[in-house]
Amino acid sequence: GENVEQHPSTLSVQEGDSAVIKCTYSDSASNYFPWYKQELGKRPQLIIDIRSNVGEKKDQRIAVTLNKTAKHFSLHITETQPEDSAVYFCAASGNDMRFGAGTRLTVKP
Amino acid sequence: ETGVTQTPRHLVMGMTNKKSLKCEQHLGHNAMYWYKQSAKKPLELMFVYNFKEQTENNSVPSRFSPECPNSSHLFLHLHTLQPEDSALYLCASSPALSMNYGYTFGSGTRLTVV
Repeated sequence: GENVEQHPSTLSVQEGDSAVIKCTYSDSASNYFPWYKQELGKRPQLIIDIRSNVGEKKDQRIAVTLNKTAKHFSLHITETQPEDSAVYFCAASGNDMRFGAGTRLTVKP
Repeated sequence: ETGVTQTPRHLVMGMTNKKSLKCEQHLGHNAMYWYKQSAKKPLELMFVYNFKEQTENNSVPSRFSPECPNSSHLFLHLHTLQPEDSALYLCASSPALSMNYGYTFGSGTRLTVV
């Protein structure tokens, strides 16, 4: 089955800096890669996704990149703000949706 | 509310109790899921339902019993649980059981087994 690895597990940045979270997957049949943000005590929420026919997608301060050959994809957050502090999960969807273990991002003011 | 509602929000139960978790969605989605979220571990898929038919049981112990009476409602019946079953149980839904849809999650039920 699919195996999704996510790094780092924790990330602390200064407000205004960029943050990058990386994931790798094992199933070459995976073709959909969503990212979720989970604030403390709240539900995971879809923030951006990318499909396998696209290499990069951007939505304001967040962007995702996908390298199908290397089986890895990344989340990039620019100009980070304190409200970006949360746990971020990547996922890869092949035969089923598998999630990474999460990255706890802290943005220090 | 995002359209997926879970009750109760918190539950404390003894190992000999029987309780049920409820999930309800009014998004018109046809696929529903149960996930277990434990600290510092990936979200663990437990059960998948598509058009109220179970399509996946991810090697979940029989002390967890799902029920899906219709496409809008999903239950998780609990009995004789263990302390290690304490976790956040998340319900999610998606338009279809296709692999190109993001999920809408509920707020979860925080379960503590004592």
